[in-house]
Parts: sequence; C-alpha cells; structure tokens
Amino acid sequence: NAGVTQTPKFQVLKTGQSMTLQCAQDMNHNSMYWYRQDPGMGLRLIYYSASEGTTDKGEVPNGYNVSRLNKREFSLRLESAAPSQTSVYFCASREQGSQPQHFGDGTRLSIL
Amino acid sequence: DAKTTQPPSMDCAEGRAANLPCNHSTISGNEYVYWYRQIHSQGPQYIIHGLKNNETNEMASLIITEDRKSSTLILPHATLRDTAVYYCIVRSNTGNQFYFGTGTSLTVIP
Repeated sequence: NAGVTQTPKFQVLKTGQSMTLQCAQDMNHNSMYWYRQDPGMGLRLIYYSASEGTTDKGEVPNGYNVSRLNKREFSLRLESAAPSQTSVYFCASREQGSQPQHFGDGTRLSIL
Repeated sequence: DAKTTQPPSMDCAEGRAANLPCNHSTISGNEYVYWYRQIHSQGPQYIIHGLKNNETNEMASLIITEDRKSSTLILPHATLRDTAVYYCIVRSNTGNQFYFGTGTSLTVIP
C-alpha cells in the first residue's frame, strides 16, 4: 500500500509564480487535509475536505486554494507564491468517526 | 476548541520507559486524544488514540485521567529510534480539524 502520496517532494519557485501540489490516497478515505509546517513549529491546517465535493478553510487559508478532484485526490494551489509560503507541506487523509489521520512524506517548497 | 499543553523537551535513557505528559483541561466529553510523532522532517506517524479508557497497542500505552483533563503516553522500552517530536492532539468540536501544538521533543540517550 502506498498510503498517502505527495508530489513533488521538492520544489523551488520564484515570487509570483504559481504551483499546484498534488496529493493522492489509496485507502478509500473520506476526509483529506493540507497542512504547512514552518521550522520549529507544529503543523497548521490550511484547508480540509470532509468528503468528496466539499472543502473548508483551516487556520491559515490565505494565499491558497484547494480542489477535491475525486475521492482519491486533493490538490493545493498557490496562485502567486510569496516567500512567506516557504514551508514543508503535508497532506493527510482519514476515514470517518474517530479514525486517525495518515500523513504523506511532505513537499518541501522554497520561494525565492 | 480544546487545545493541548506539552513540555517542550524530555530526555529518557535507552531501555527505560518514556512517559510523555499532556494537559487538555478544556476537552469536551466526546473528543478523542490522539498521539503522533515526527522523526526529523518526515510526515507525522500515528501512535495511538483514546476517549476515556486506557489504551495499549504494539507501539505504546495511553493513560487518560478519570476527569480526562490530562493524559500520558508511555513508550515502555525506549530505543534510540524513538527520538522524535511527540504531539498530543485533541480533535475539534466539528470533528474534522486536528490542532497540532509544538509537541515534546524526546531524546533517548544511550
């Protein structure tokens, strides 16, 4: 089982460029999440999708958009990248109820 | 939404039990406590979760106080590979958001 797969693993962008981070899960989970983690800090929720066809804002949604393409895939888009968005981005998924989240390995994004 | 408080760092001797505390005094009756760990900058790894009763799995034990205001994660025989940042998380009232704090950085010492 691949679990949660994120692409790309690394990316360098210039300020103002756009980028889409991809996430796919093969566990048939209903909910999917996007987090960012800055150095020395915990994860902060950007957006989540409780089920296919729905998306909601988390703690830090500004500057990002998301698309729940189907049950498997949840993408995160930066329309006009800013240096403050330099971070490690994690995608997660989980089943309903009390089930825990399962995380991908992250995308390390640097914006110059 | 219930938040958690953890000590920023702890040390533990290899082979000894590591006891990691978490305070969640504002937890509501139907909220679960989850524990994750993160090694270096890898994705967080799920360890265990519970509601009221103590829980045990192949990785760890979770002890939740009777008033549910605090919990302790126990790694029974810590190894060097258990060196990581451990996060205690309480699921939000809506049931969809998980709030990560800064966690406890556990260092297992040879």
